[in-house]
Amino acid sequence: GDSVTQMEGPVTLSEEAFLTINCTYTATGYPSLFWYVQYPGEGLQLLLKATKADDKGSNKGFEATYRKETTSFHLEKGSVQVSDSAVYFCALRGPHSSNTGKLIFGQGTTLQVKP
Amino acid sequence: GAGVSQSPSNKVTEKGKDVELRCDPISGHTALYWYRQSLGQGLEFLIYFQGNSAPDKSGLPSDRFSAERTGGSVSTLTIQRTQQEDSAVYLCASSRVGAGPRDWPREQYFGPGTRLTVT
Repeated sequence: GDSVTQMEGPVTLSEEAFLTINCTYTATGYPSLFWYVQYPGEGLQLLLKATKADDKGSNKGFEATYRKETTSFHLEKGSVQVSDSAVYFCALRGPHSSNTGKLIFGQGTTLQVKP
Repeated sequence: GAGVSQSPSNKVTEKGKDVELRCDPISGHTALYWYRQSLGQGLEFLIYFQGNSAPDKSGLPSDRFSAERTGGSVSTLTIQRTQQEDSAVYLCASSRVGAGPRDWPREQYFGPGTRLTVT
């Protein structure tokens, strides 16, 4: 079945460092891909998404590119801030023909940014 | 406007008791999802509602789990005879359904969750 694999955390960085969180997926057809973020004490929020190969999703300085050839959707940010400390989840949603819109999530990666 | 709300925010119950968790979706969102977030299993899909019907119940872990939705709005997730492995955060999400011919569900908005602890 469909699955998502994320790099294990926690990831600890200094402020202004470059961030990469790796995400790879296994799916039939052409899924849509998402990054969700969960800030401490808050609910899950959609960070960015991409719905077809080579699409780049971006938001709040974060970017991820849908790479079909490597089945990857790695999250990057050029300069992290303390306020980016959170848990990040990679997720996929299967294609129209066989899916009800449910999301398949990775295990989550905790990011801690130190001043 | 108001987001997805869930109640209670925290629930502690004894093993063997039944619990009910409530979700109030965003007004006008016809699609509703339940997920579970636990330490050992990560974030897992439980059930999907379109209106009052549940075309996808594939994630419910056992027949102790059930859910219903009434009036195309509020949903209740019921866990009977709770076990310690049911301890988790239960998340609800809702979304609009697209206007296209396939009625594709759109972006999901998540509630804050209910933290269930079974002692």
